[in-house]
Amino acid sequence: DAMVIQNPRYQVTQFGKPVTLSCSQTLNHNVMYWYQQKSSQAPKLLFHYYDKDFNNEADTPDNFQSRRPNTSFCFLDIRSPGLGDAAMYLCATSRDRADTQYFGPGTRLTVL
Amino acid sequence: GEDVEQSLFLSVREGDSSVINCTYTDSSSTYLYWYKQEPGAGLQLLTYIFSNMDMKQDQRLTVLLNKKDKHLSLRIADTQTGDSAIYFCAESSLTGNQFYFGTGTSLTVIP
Repeated sequence: DAMVIQNPRYQVTQFGKPVTLSCSQTLNHNVMYWYQQKSSQAPKLLFHYYDKDFNNEADTPDNFQSRRPNTSFCFLDIRSPGLGDAAMYLCATSRDRADTQYFGPGTRLTVL
Repeated sequence: GEDVEQSLFLSVREGDSSVINCTYTDSSSTYLYWYKQEPGAGLQLLTYIFSNMDMKQDQRLTVLLNKKDKHLSLRIADTQTGDSAIYFCAESSLTGNQFYFGTGTSLTVIP
């Protein structure tokens, strides 16, 4: 029944070692989002894909990249994680832009 | 971007009603949402209201929308310890193709 799946749920990486987080959806939604959420803060949008069209937020660091090879999957790549990148990363999907967003359970990233 | 504001903390006793408030600035909001986030988990959609509605009720949840004052509230009746979580309001605007989250309200239910 899971609609938005994120793997892994917990990820530990070393400072500077590239890491990839995965998101998949069974809703066949057009839009997929990646958010970063630090403790006691609202989710912060990093970027989103509308179908294959990539949309980066202006203040998203270059260290963060994303790939969407097909409708169902979207990946978040952090090229050189810093200590400040430790956070919960949330994937969400929506049928269309500004439509209801459905979230995955998140991946907790720890950077050592 | 648009501002969506919430008070940070709310404590209630088990069995009482909780009211979580949210104010927003975008007059072109189309839908307004309430999400619940338990510790270490993603955001769970609780309910939403279309901007031309004043009220929506869903079991223990009542959403009130005052569009003139740009004020949204979520009332949880008979609050239980399992309701302890962070609650985010969010608004979407079809004109701007945007989706904005509030700052979140941490609800603590005291047994």
